[in-house]
Amino acid sequence: GAVVSQHPSWVICKSGTSVKIECRSLDFQATTMFWYRQFPKQSLMLMATSNEGSKATYEQGVEKDKFLINHASLTLSTLTVTSAHPEDSSFYICSARLGTSGQETQYFGPGTRLLVL
Amino acid sequence: AQTVTQSQPEMSVQEAETVTLSCTYDTSENNYYLFWYKQPPSRQMILVIRQEAYKQQNATENRFSVNFQKAAKSFSLKISDSQLGDTAMYFCAFMSGTSYGKLTFGQGTILTVHP
Repeated sequence: GAVVSQHPSWVICKSGTSVKIECRSLDFQATTMFWYRQFPKQSLMLMATSNEGSKATYEQGVEKDKFLINHASLTLSTLTVTSAHPEDSSFYICSARLGTSGQETQYFGPGTRLLVL
Repeated sequence: AQTVTQSQPEMSVQEAETVTLSCTYDTSENNYYLFWYKQPPSRQMILVIRQEAYKQQNATENRFSVNFQKAAKSFSLKISDSQLGDTAMYFCAFMSGTSYGKLTFGQGTILTVHP
């Protein structure tokens, strides 16, 4: 099956620092990747859509200068949380779109737990 | 805009029994996909089952099957012979055929399987 990795799985940082999270599709090419944020026992909240070779599309209310997204290749998208603050502490999940005709599906990474002190 | 509703915040079932999780959605489109994802305590999202709207036949994957009622916009998940490892949060999700892969999720249902 399609596998998506995410790194790091767990990060603690000081307030004001930046944190980069990587999302990789390991066995397929993904022209589109997605970044979500999830609070405990809640649903996934889509933050942005990452398209290879073009600018990301952010959902309403998500600060694009705060959450920088780069999709430099067909297998890698990165999310950088800039000048992180305690309110940015959350669980971040990426997914990659497998858009094969008739098999349209999103596959998810294992998530990154971010704690900002 | 599409919406997905899961009306059961929590469900419980005894091991080896059958449980059905409900999901309804709202859309004006005719071409779309529906999914059930499972999120166990590890928080890894796992695809359980998918259904193409143009297919009348209900999808099945081993112990998991769906009841897809297109006219009623209903997409329930049946888990047969429940196992302890089925304990997880389950999300119903909708994908438009024109959304380039974007998913709309329901609120989720926490399922607990008791021994």
